[in-house]
Order: sequence, then structure tokens, then C-alpha cells
Amino acid sequence: QKEVEQDPGPLSVPEGAIVSLNCTYSNSAFQYFMWYRQYSRKGPELLMYTYSSGNKEDGRFTAQVDKSSKYISLFIRDSQPSDSATYLCAMSKAAGNKLTFGGGTRVLVKP
Amino acid sequence: KAGVTQTPRYLIKTRGQQVTLSCSPISGHRSVSWYQQTPGQGLQFLFEYFSETQRNKGNFPGRFSGRQFSNSRSEMNVSTLELGDSALYLCASSLSGRGLDFETQYFGPGTRLLVL
Repeated sequence: QKEVEQDPGPLSVPEGAIVSLNCTYSNSAFQYFMWYRQYSRKGPELLMYTYSSGNKEDGRFTAQVDKSSKYISLFIRDSQPSDSATYLCAMSKAAGNKLTFGGGTRVLVKP
Repeated sequence: KAGVTQTPRYLIKTRGQQVTLSCSPISGHRSVSWYQQTPGQGLQFLFEYFSETQRNKGNFPGRFSGRQFSNSRSEMNVSTLELGDSALYLCASSLSGRGLDFETQYFGPGTRLLVL
């Protein structure tokens, strides 16, 4: 079983809808939680990170971490066709650079 | 500021050959990490270099190796290529990766390796 599980999708939503993404993990040592976006033929790009439990909001994006349930979420409000991409969750035990990624969820926002 | 660059972008090799991939980090960044991305296993951490020293290593066989030069540029080498090594190899750089505070890792576009 993988340390970080993520539904591969694809997740198809109409433009303007809320996109809801999540990951579960098994290692309670993870302290930093990140969401990356990856467009086709590009490298991943960091969207948000959260330290420990709690919520964080940045524009249309909201990240939530529930360490007691080992569950993290990303919500995208007012989704746009340009949000169509693969979204990857990632985690690390420390602030260093050894990240453990989920498999990614492919999101399609239809105009 | 230029982003992370990786060369070559595409590569075709045959089983048993070896390959060297190159990564130039963002100017001023001293930490370089390498990841392998495949449809089956997703993104997996290979290793990280800082100040020409390997600081972290993932669970890959010894056929995968790397190095970092004094200008922070990094190379990774895969010897005795296997079909399963076909993947997108991504390089990421950050300022120091010292683990004191969170630092954003900036990824390059990757090198797509196909092993026949």
C-alpha cells in the first residue's frame, strides 16, 4: 500500500463549479502538506502548502489538513477551463526536500 | 529570472545502455532534487544534492546515481537501462533545503526517457 493515496480521476466539472480534491496518508510523521498542479508536458508547480493541521486560503484555493484522520483536501472555487490539469498532493516529514507524492488527480473543467 | 532547465527534453535509449541527464537550477538555488514520474508509481524521490553532496536518497537501486557541481548544476546517471526506467525525470531546485523553514521547490519541465 502506498504511503499517500489519491484518486486518479478524471474529475470532470462544469465551469464555475467547486472542485474538491483529497488525499489520505498512512504515515503520521508527515508535517508539511502541499498541493501541486501539473499541466501536460510541464513540471509540477506549487499551489499551496500547510504546516500541520488547519486551513489555508489563497484566492480561489483552500487547503485543509486533518491530521487526526490523515486526510487532506484542496478546494478550487469558481473553476475555470484553465484549471484543467493534474493535481498532486505531496507531504514531507520535515521542511527539507524529500517529498512523498500522491498519484495525482486529473481534473477537467468544461466551458 | 530563468526557471529550472533540463536537457535533453527527450531521449530514446536501448536496454543495457546508460544515460546522463542534466539539470540547471534557478540562479542562487543550491539544493537540487531529482524525481522519477511514471503512470504506475507516480512521482518518486530519487535523491537530493546540496553543496556537491548527496543529502537524501530515495529507494532506488544503485544504477541510479547523481552528482552536483560547484555551480549547483546537477547530473543524474542511469546505468544498464531497463525497460522499466522509461519515465519522466524531473529536477527541482530550492534555495537551500536546509530544513529549517519551508522552501518552495521549483520543478523543471523534465526529461522524458524511453527505453526500448
